[in-house]
Amino acid sequence: SQQGEEDPQALSIQEGENATMNCSYKTSINNLQWYRQNSGRGLVHLILIRSNEREKHSGRLRVTLDTSKKSSSLLITASRAADTASYFCAGSNYKLTFGKGTLLTVNP
Amino acid sequence: EAQVTQNPRYLITVTGKKLTVTCSQNMNHEYMSWYRQDPGLGLRQIYYSMNVEVTDKGDVPEGYKVSRKEKRNFPLILESPSPNQTSLYFCASSSPPALAGEDGEQFFGPGTRLTVL
Repeated sequence: SQQGEEDPQALSIQEGENATMNCSYKTSINNLQWYRQNSGRGLVHLILIRSNEREKHSGRLRVTLDTSKKSSSLLITASRAADTASYFCAGSNYKLTFGKGTLLTVNP
Repeated sequence: EAQVTQNPRYLITVTGKKLTVTCSQNMNHEYMSWYRQDPGLGLRQIYYSMNVEVTDKGDVPEGYKVSRKEKRNFPLILESPSPNQTSLYFCASSSPPALAGEDGEQFFGPGTRLTVL
């Protein structure tokens, strides 16, 4: 079963705009992770937020976690064409389970 | 350079012909895992290994075997491949989690695109 479900499935924005992706999960988690995948390549870890954290920043990335709503969001600020990729959330509870991803397209 | 390597990167084979996809990591990670990625289904875990000689089934283990005789290697074996195993396969590794019940950051290989005719 899918632990993470990303929303929207696809997002297209202009360079310089902010991109927000959401993730919902079903069961309790110990941490939630976000990964990025360029077309056909391996996933790259972006950020990990623990269940006792509400917000975390890393460069242009901001992740929030609301355990009461079982949801997380990933915000990419000042997007660049190079941010074009698929983004996956993954919930961890003794096992990491990935969602189906959001395809982000940043148009120059 | 810290990395996870997979071989081959691309493979076209026929139904029933046994094949092995190798995976190797140079980060001394204890945890290793295999995933398959299919359109509309996301990443699904096939098998994982918590340490040498310790392997366990993931969500979609049918038709696959693994072994973990050394810490750095975690090969994926398809004894009798079928067309429904046509997919993009990823190997991943990670260090032990900071807290019990957690999963740490996973490092992914570049992927193996398998086509079974």
